[in-house]
Amino acid sequence: NAGVTQTPKFRVLKTGQSMTLLCAQDMNHEYMYWYRQDPGMGLRLIHYSVGEGTTAKGEVPDGYNVSRLKKQNFLLGLESAAPSQTSVYFCASSNSRDFHEQYFGPGTRLTVT
Amino acid sequence: GQQVMQIPQYQHVQEGEDFTTYCNSSTTLSNIQWYKQRPGGHPVFLIQLVKSGEVKKQKRLTFQFGEAKKNSSLHITATQTTDVGTYFCAANIMDSNYQLIWGAGTKLIIKP
Repeated sequence: NAGVTQTPKFRVLKTGQSMTLLCAQDMNHEYMYWYRQDPGMGLRLIHYSVGEGTTAKGEVPDGYNVSRLKKQNFLLGLESAAPSQTSVYFCASSNSRDFHEQYFGPGTRLTVT
Repeated sequence: GQQVMQIPQYQHVQEGEDFTTYCNSSTTLSNIQWYKQRPGGHPVFLIQLVKSGEVKKQKRLTFQFGEAKKNSSLHITATQTTDVGTYFCAANIMDSNYQLIWGAGTKLIIKP
């Protein structure tokens, strides 16, 4: 099993450009999450999904959109990138609402100039 | 919103010394999880605590959950260079939705 994979690993965008980050998991997990991590800070939840076809806002959803068309995939979109969105983005999945660990992907390092 | 406060932000220790990080909440927690993130890596699950007063050990790591389920600690005995990284607590708040509330992390730095 590959676990949780993320593409791309690195990306540089110019202000105003758009992009989509892809997260895939092969563990048949119901729940998937997108986080951002800024230097020296913890994880902040952007959006999450409790099942195929569902999405919900987390702590910092502004400027991002998500889609969960297939159970194994969770996409994070930036429609018009801003320098404030420079961060490391982590995708995670888990097989229950709580009491179960979250499995993280390796992260995508995004720089917006 | 709900917060989990984690202290200290950084801790410098000599190899062989002990290390402790603490998480505190003003709200009763349903459970608390601990994760480790190596430099340049991603968070990796260490353990989960559910019961009031629970203590769990993993080799040199000891995890505690407070009696009131509002605080938790991670203690590492005799640190080694392999312990370097940032340790995060993450909690489910009682009666919350599906989200984990994350502490800001404690970075363990081993002095040469």
